[in-house]
Amino acid sequence: KNQVEQSPQSLIILEGKNCTLQCNYTVSPFSNLRWYKQDTGRGPVSLTIMTFSENTKSNGRYTATLDADTKQSSLHITASQLSDSASYICVVSANGGQNFVFGPGTRLSVLP
Amino acid sequence: NAGVMQNPRHLVRRRGQEARLRCSPMKGHSHVYWYRQLPEEGLKFMVYLQKENIIDESGMPKERFSAEFPKEGPSILRIQQVVRGDSAAYFCASSPRGQGEVAIQYFGAGTRLSVL
Repeated sequence: KNQVEQSPQSLIILEGKNCTLQCNYTVSPFSNLRWYKQDTGRGPVSLTIMTFSENTKSNGRYTATLDADTKQSSLHITASQLSDSASYICVVSANGGQNFVFGPGTRLSVLP
Repeated sequence: NAGVMQNPRHLVRRRGQEARLRCSPMKGHSHVYWYRQLPEEGLKFMVYLQKENIIDESGMPKERFSAEFPKEGPSILRIQQVVRGDSAAYFCASSPRGQGEVAIQYFGAGTRLSVL
């Protein structure tokens, strides 16, 4: 069964600190993996997209990694800001990109 | 270039009524996706459409739910005879290319459906 798991479920950090969110998946055949940021009450916003051949991709303070062998991905946030408070969703695409499987998200709270 | 527009933002229906949710994709985008997010849960794929065609509806409930993306006008997600379990946020996303081409999806702000 295609599944995406994320950890931790929620995380609280102080402004300026770094954090890493984890994503494990059992989706196959793998096509690509995406990280989204979803603010409360808003639609998700794409942060990164990685295909099988890519093992790291950055978008500003966000850096995603992908280990296709262990089927794990991480999202590292550097020098966190209050505006980083949101849910971060890992999404894995299978079957040549025709099916999307969403993880449950990690809820990040950044405190001053 | 306006983003993905969804309306209404909030919709209240009584059990048994019909709900029609609209999604106007970004200009130039011909691929539309609908997702449902139940309270305290992650998003779940429902349907993927191109203009006038349903490409993948594997996530759509077999009964009461239908979607269309006509040649002209917005994409419509239609829920007939709504039940309380249909209460959720429904998100639409659009992309300029199909999923298989690793295109970024741009999401709308969602429609929050409440069934009384």
